[in-house]
Amino acid sequence: GEDVEQSLFLSVREGDSSVINCTYTDSSSTYLYWYKQEPGAGLQLLTYIFSNMDMKQDQRLTVLLNKKDKHLSLRIADTQTGDSAIYFCADGPSGSGGYNKLIFGAGTRLAVHP
Amino acid sequence: DAGVTQSPTHLIKTRGQQVTLRCSPKSGHDTVSWYQQALGQGPQFIFQYYEEEERQRGNFPDRFSGHQFPNYSSELNVNALLLGDSALYLCASSLAVRGAGPSAVFFGPGTRLTVL
Repeated sequence: GEDVEQSLFLSVREGDSSVINCTYTDSSSTYLYWYKQEPGAGLQLLTYIFSNMDMKQDQRLTVLLNKKDKHLSLRIADTQTGDSAIYFCADGPSGSGGYNKLIFGAGTRLAVHP
Repeated sequence: DAGVTQSPTHLIKTRGQQVTLRCSPKSGHDTVSWYQQALGQGPQFIFQYYEEEERQRGNFPDRFSGHQFPNYSSELNVNALLLGDSALYLCASSLAVRGAGPSAVFFGPGTRLTVL
């Protein structure tokens, strides 16, 4: 069935780059998403990539998609303490009608230390 | 431009009771989905509403039901509450594009439900 997997924890030094990885199983994915969740809050949409793209850049964020290996990554340049949060990868599989659910990974907790 | 709004923010109920959660989608969006996020886990899809109909449903029992109104807002109802229903309930909105998947999907701040 459909599944999304992420590593659970990442620790980086302030100012370094962070790379959060995700793998998914559904070959019919249309869009793939990255969300950020701070404690006690909802999900903030960071970026999303259409499945026919290899890369998308948005300010400090770079998303890389390897469709052959079903691997998605999120790179955060110049990581700041405010980036400390849980990051979720989500798969938006395609299907009839165009009205589809998102399948989430368990989330990667990013800890940024001085 | 108002984002996705949800009410209430927090709710405490006891086992066996019923609860109704509310959501208003982002301006211009017509599709509302509901997710349950248990502590320490990723969100799980409950169901999705479009044109006032349930379009797709996740692996949740019939105790979970919903409704979408003509103004696109939505309600999630949970009957006969169990302790395991304690979670953050998230509403997501998007704009349906026929023949393609949803593009940007925005989430509200969630309703924290505690069942005692």
